[in-house]
Amino acid sequence: AQSVSQHNHHVILSEAASLELGCNYSYGGTVNLFWYVQYPGQHLQLLLKYFSGDPLVKGIKGFEAEFIKSKFSFNLRKPSVQWSDTAEYFCAVKRRAGTALIFGKGTTLSVSS
Amino acid sequence: EAGVAQSPRYKIIEKRQSVAFWCNPISGHATLYWYQQILGQGPKLLIQFQNNGVVDDSQLPKDRFSAERLKGVDSTLKIQPAKLEDSAVYLCASSLDGHSGNTIYFGEGSWLTVV
Repeated sequence: AQSVSQHNHHVILSEAASLELGCNYSYGGTVNLFWYVQYPGQHLQLLLKYFSGDPLVKGIKGFEAEFIKSKFSFNLRKPSVQWSDTAEYFCAVKRRAGTALIFGKGTTLSVSS
Repeated sequence: EAGVAQSPRYKIIEKRQSVAFWCNPISGHATLYWYQQILGQGPKLLIQFQNNGVVDDSQLPKDRFSAERLKGVDSTLKIQPAKLEDSAVYLCASSLDGHSGNTIYFGEGSWLTVV
């Protein structure tokens, strides 16, 4: 069965530290890849998505992600986190010919000021 | 632009009772999804509609869960009878259609606690 693995359950950083959250998927076919963020008390919002082309994707709020096909990975990065980045981050996969998003379990990011 | 609307936001019921959640997707969105998010886990798809037809309900526990989208716009998810393990956030989401290129937009969720 297709699955999405997020390596880190909880990440704690100080402001200005660099961030990298890991995401691997198991599906071997063509996929679309997403990162969603959920700020405390708010709904899931799209950070960025990859469909094709340049494997380095830039999203909102300074986030970027790199698709490495050979590693089935789509890691999320940000060079310098802010306190306002405290949230839960979800990696998700969608098959081109399929239907709904399949989510990882999420990573909670806590940024201290 | 109005987002995905859900109600109620919070519900507490006793086990074996029933509950219903309502969702109004973004105007013009043909595809509607219901996800279940248990604490500490990622959202899991329960059912996907394309207009008023079901595309995928393979993970819907059909002995107790039901969902409909009769007119192809808003949708209702029902649980009867509820179990303790149904305590979760029920997320409604919508997209223009089921094409993989379309962004899926989520509502704020309906929080269910079964006691």
